[in-house]
Amino acid sequence: DAGVTQSPTHLIKTRGQQVTLRCSPKSGHDTVSWYQQALGQGPQFIFQYYEEEERQRGNFPDRFSGHQFPNYSSELNVNALLLGDSALYLCASGFGTGLYEQYFGPGTRLTVT
Amino acid sequence: KNQVEQSPQSLIILEGKNCTLQCNYTVSPFSNLRWYKQDTGRGPVSLTIMTFSENTKSNGRYTATLDADTKQSSLHITASQLSDSASYICVVSADNAGNMLTFGGGTRLMVKP
Repeated sequence: DAGVTQSPTHLIKTRGQQVTLRCSPKSGHDTVSWYQQALGQGPQFIFQYYEEEERQRGNFPDRFSGHQFPNYSSELNVNALLLGDSALYLCASGFGTGLYEQYFGPGTRLTVT
Repeated sequence: KNQVEQSPQSLIILEGKNCTLQCNYTVSPFSNLRWYKQDTGRGPVSLTIMTFSENTKSNGRYTATLDADTKQSSLHITASQLSDSASYICVVSADNAGNMLTFGGGTRLMVKP
């Protein structure tokens, strides 16, 4: 049983470009949350998807958008990249929207130059 | 504003020794508190999760305590091993925020032989 998987592992982009990160949840999970983790800091919540809809959103600008597909996988899109967007992007999956254990993927390391 | 503060920021101990990490939070209304272990460049892995009614929970050599009155938690690691070297992150969820998690900055633990 595969856990949470993310792709790509590493990515280098230039300021102003757009990027799409992908996440496949753990088998049986239907909720996906995305987090941004800057170097040396704890993760910051970006948003959560359940039933193909954005259910909750953290304090991130509209440049950050997402999508959840019928198979529960999810994408994170970031437009007009800034140097400050360089971070480890983590995806976590769970079941439902109540109290549940969240399982994290290995993350995608994004570097913006 | 919901906040989670951890101390110390970093800690070095000798293999076999015990240590205790601290977490203070201002998240309200409180729902649950989690401790995660994160290896460098990897996604966090859950150690414990506690709700309001629980004041202690163990997972092998890891024991977490929770005092909901003082809004403090601790993570005690017994008989440390080299593989315990990692960042330990305290995470709190508010009752009115679904599963939107507020992360602390983490304590970086290094276990030396």
